[in-house]
Amino acid sequence: AQSVAQPEDQVNVAEGNPLTVKCTYSVSGNPYLFWYVQYPNRGLQFLLKYITGDNLVKGSYGFEAEFNKSQTSFHLKKPSALVSDSALYFCAVRAPREAGTYKYIFGTGTRLKVLA
Amino acid sequence: NAGVTQTPKFQVLKTGQSMTLQCAQDMNHEYMSWYRQDPGMGLRLIHYSVGAGITDQGEVPNGYNVSRSTTEDFPLRLLSAAPSQTSVYFCASSPFSGGAQETQYFGPGTRLLVL
Repeated sequence: AQSVAQPEDQVNVAEGNPLTVKCTYSVSGNPYLFWYVQYPNRGLQFLLKYITGDNLVKGSYGFEAEFNKSQTSFHLKKPSALVSDSALYFCAVRAPREAGTYKYIFGTGTRLKVLA
Repeated sequence: NAGVTQTPKFQVLKTGQSMTLQCAQDMNHEYMSWYRQDPGMGLRLIHYSVGAGITDQGEVPNGYNVSRSTTEDFPLRLLSAAPSQTSVYFCASSPFSGGAQETQYFGPGTRLLVL
């Protein structure tokens, strides 16, 4: 069965410092991995994804994520945090079609707080 | 394009009432899905569809029905509302191509309160 774990409910980081939001997954076959962000009282916005290819993927707003197959992780990173990055971040996984399931499974979310 | 639209934005129901949450997309996406968002629980998949006439259950399907008669619309029906169904509901659509175009687009959400 597919699953996603975001082990930290909240991450605090000072403005200008690098940030990491962790995500690990479990899925049969090669995963499709996604990060979404939710600002207060808003819907979810796509940040970046890994489908195939380079393990380091770059996305919106200066975010990037590294796919690590051996550690089954897809951590979200940014070199220099901004106060405006404060939001709720979700990791999601989908199994490939040959796995016979078409569900996107989301993690419980990590609240990022960037302190000025 | 309007993207993914949801109606209503907010609804109050009494226990036992039924209602339909509407979702529509104008991007000709094959894949549509419904999620509920609860504090500490993240987004949980209720039902999904990979095309017109094809639906399947997600993680938390009990108490909800869906149908997909057209590519554009994917309504979610609450059969007999319960307080445990108080939540924020999000609809999403995706090209489901498995390629560079695959990204879920989310609607603005429907906030449901069941008394």
